[in-house]
Amino acid sequence: DVKVTQSSRYLVKRTGEKVFLECVQDMDHENMFWYRQDPGLGLRLIYFSYDVKMKEKGDIPEGYSVSREKKERFSLILESASTNQTSMYLCASSSEAAQYSPLHFGNGTRLTVT
Amino acid sequence: RKEVEQDPGPFNVPEGATVAFNCTYSNSASQSFFWYRQDCRKEPKLLMSVYSSGNEDGRFTAQLNRASQYISLLIRDSKLSDSATYLCVVNKGYSTLTFGKGTMLLVSP
Repeated sequence: DVKVTQSSRYLVKRTGEKVFLECVQDMDHENMFWYRQDPGLGLRLIYFSYDVKMKEKGDIPEGYSVSREKKERFSLILESASTNQTSMYLCASSSEAAQYSPLHFGNGTRLTVT
Repeated sequence: RKEVEQDPGPFNVPEGATVAFNCTYSNSASQSFFWYRQDCRKEPKLLMSVYSSGNEDGRFTAQLNRASQYISLLIRDSKLSDSATYLCVVNKGYSTLTFGKGTMLLVSP
């Protein structure tokens, strides 16, 4: 069974802090994704990666960056956290192009920026 | 038209009822369609893919209407455990998916 693990379930950070959200998958998947989910707005794609050291912007990349140094690990970085980045962050992975292969999600990190 | 649009609900139905959700999408070039299920405070999980010919998985039936650009999900004989938010998902290009905001279903005894 595919396992996608996010390092923290809950996180509280202060405005201006640099924040790292970590995600690890154990199924040798090529593709990894970061989404945020907000009430009334649904899931929105922040960044994705289809290979090591490769990254692509999603729909809302502003204020975020990512790192994929190893195939199993995909990190989301908030360079200078702001209150409007308070959200549920979901990492996902898939073995093929997302349109052919289901996304496997981690159980999410609820980030609060104060 | 929004990329993927769903009625947010909630749909309140008694156990044993049949309920149907629709979802419309804007990109006529989309090729792949899915329904995901998300329980409260949990991550989304794939419920079923939606094929051109329509497909069934137990009590769940999914259909695609390309001409009108909508997909549907029918749930028969609703169970309490079907209470969840159902997300309509459509591919956006080769690599990514666009999620609808979800339709909430509440099944009561």
